[in-house]
Amino acid sequence: KQEVTQIPAALSVPEGENLVLNCSFTDSAIYNLQWFRQDPGKGLTSLLLIQSSQREQTSGRLNASLDKSSGRSTLYIAASQPGDSATYLCAVYNNDMRFGAGTRLTVKP
Amino acid sequence: NAGVMQNPRHLVRRRGQEARLRCSPMKGHSHVYWYRQLPEEGLKFMVYLQKENIIDESGMPKERFSAEFPKEGPSILRIQQVVRGDSAAYFCASSSTQGNTEAFFGQGTRLTVV
Repeated sequence: KQEVTQIPAALSVPEGENLVLNCSFTDSAIYNLQWFRQDPGKGLTSLLLIQSSQREQTSGRLNASLDKSSGRSTLYIAASQPGDSATYLCAVYNNDMRFGAGTRLTVKP
Repeated sequence: NAGVMQNPRHLVRRRGQEARLRCSPMKGHSHVYWYRQLPEEGLKFMVYLQKENIIDESGMPKERFSAEFPKEGPSILRIQQVVRGDSAAYFCASSSTQGNTEAFFGQGTRLTVV
């Protein structure tokens, strides 16, 4: 059974800092890994999708990497802004899509 | 493309009533996933469906919960005889194929059992 872990559970940084969120998974036989953002009381917004054959994806200030063999992914956020404050969730897909518990990010002005 | 549509957005039920949650996937998507999220917790997988088939229901309680995705119309998550512990946000996601494409989420249905 796939287990997905996200570290840290919560993170607070001053505006402008670069930061890294971590996601690990136990079963490396995945099709893809997807990073989402969730604002309080809202649904999930897809940020980046990395196929199993890829090593990274970039979108604006976001960069996600995937090391399938070690069961790890990182989400790098450059020059963080208060508007980045949200919970970030990673999901891995093999037979179905399983989520980590998320990292709650607070970026202070 | 209106995206994944869930309704209602908010649902209040008394204990013992039935709750029906609807999810219309994105146009062209034939795969639907349902998740439950308790306050301050992550998303817990419930069930994965394709058109007219349940592929994986390992996360769904054996009693009172059922899901369907008919050939025509939205996917339905049905909770019979609701209890207070069923209060949560229920999200659905859809994708066009199994695993190789991006999944998109609806805004969720917030169920409150009073």
